[in-house]
Amino acid sequence: DQQVKQNSPSLSVQEGRISILNCDYTNSMFDYFLWYKKYPAEGPTFLISISSIKDKNEDGRFTVFLNKSAKHLSLHIVPSQPGDSAVYFCAASMSGANNLFFGTGTRLTVIP
Amino acid sequence: GAVVSQHPSWVICKSGTSVKIECRSLDFQATTMFWYRQFPKQSLMLMATSNEGSKATYEQGVEKDKFLINHASLTLSTLTVTSAHPEDSSFYICSAREAGGRVYGYTFGSGTRLTVV
Repeated sequence: DQQVKQNSPSLSVQEGRISILNCDYTNSMFDYFLWYKKYPAEGPTFLISISSIKDKNEDGRFTVFLNKSAKHLSLHIVPSQPGDSAVYFCAASMSGANNLFFGTGTRLTVIP
Repeated sequence: GAVVSQHPSWVICKSGTSVKIECRSLDFQATTMFWYRQFPKQSLMLMATSNEGSKATYEQGVEKDKFLINHASLTLSTLTVTSAHPEDSSFYICSAREAGGRVYGYTFGSGTRLTVV
């Protein structure tokens, strides 16, 4: 049962434009959400996170938006750069639980 | 920042042999380490959670006798794939959470590509 879903397996964006990656979840108990970036044959690296008490968190070119009523979050990257090309995973966690629940990932390609 | 070293980064083994993968937290103590598996174009799937000094907790469907996990110290967890078969070929990733650190401070290793021939 996939509790965290990323329905777009891939996304291509022109350099300098905005990249928007989407993520949906089903478990209302999730209270913390994270985005990870992953290059081939490497482990995921943490990008940005957001607590369920917030609806937006910004860090440089990266902004994560959370819509709890819709159980939806999105990652905005602006401006997109070729080095941003990677697979992006969203992940969710809940208080009292140790592990993260990952989405299936979205492969972002930023075209120079 | 926190660093997790995973070794080896890739391994090819013959069917029926065992392979050990190490996961080390280099600059912090990790009371909890996690082992994930990723098939091509699929999500990271949690296999098991290991706590230092106690038995690992396996996710449903993961054979504990096949995937042996040992977390003998606060800086080292190992995953041994016993009697490996071609269907065990996958990308295995560990992550560690710092003892007393941020609740959601997970650091991932670089992963191990296992190919069983």
